[in-house]
Amino acid sequence: GAGVSQSPSNKVTEKGKDVELRCDPISGHTALYWYRQRLGQGLEFLIYFQGNSAPDKSGLPSDRFSAERTGESVSTLTIQRTQQEDSAVYLCASSPSLGGRTDTQYFGPGTRLTVL
Amino acid sequence: GQNIDQPTEMTATEGAIVQINCTYQTSGFNGLFWYQQHAGEAPTFLSYNVLDGLEEKGRFSSFLSRSKGYSYLLLKELQMKDSASYLCAVRGYQKVTFGIGTKLQVIP
Repeated sequence: GAGVSQSPSNKVTEKGKDVELRCDPISGHTALYWYRQRLGQGLEFLIYFQGNSAPDKSGLPSDRFSAERTGESVSTLTIQRTQQEDSAVYLCASSPSLGGRTDTQYFGPGTRLTVL
Repeated sequence: GQNIDQPTEMTATEGAIVQINCTYQTSGFNGLFWYQQHAGEAPTFLSYNVLDGLEEKGRFSSFLSRSKGYSYLLLKELQMKDSASYLCAVRGYQKVTFGIGTKLQVIP
């Protein structure tokens, strides 16, 4: 079956523009995570969706960042008024999240964002 | 809150054994994961521990001690392709949290 997909794979934008990143999780996965990874750095948690529960937004770095998820399907991460410091790879992961080993996350290939 | 500590870098020789440690303090504990991430690629799942003890899978083994908040990943018969970052992740009450990762360099 299909894995997690993300689009676009690469995005180059000018400082101050808004960008929207898309994640299509594996069908049936209730949990969805967004991470940011700067070059040579670790994963930085951004936001977590679990079923119909209120999302955990504790990792969003500023109010310029927001994310939505429609049910248990597609999610979009929006960055408004982009800054050069936003340049990074944005990774999406989904998991069945029924507990135990099913919390294993399956990662998409990421979107590489470059802000000029 | 969640706090996960791992060494940032390690170097080991091809054919040798290397142990990558991870210590954690979390609100609740519902399992510990290890992931491998090659440069420029997304992380991929390696192992899962929820009970104390050693889980072996081929050249890779993972150990957990819940009372000590401690895990390690053991890689045997190192190969050059094992050069990657190894990420420790813990499932607390609410969600999975990743450590910063250990960058392993395997040298000839």
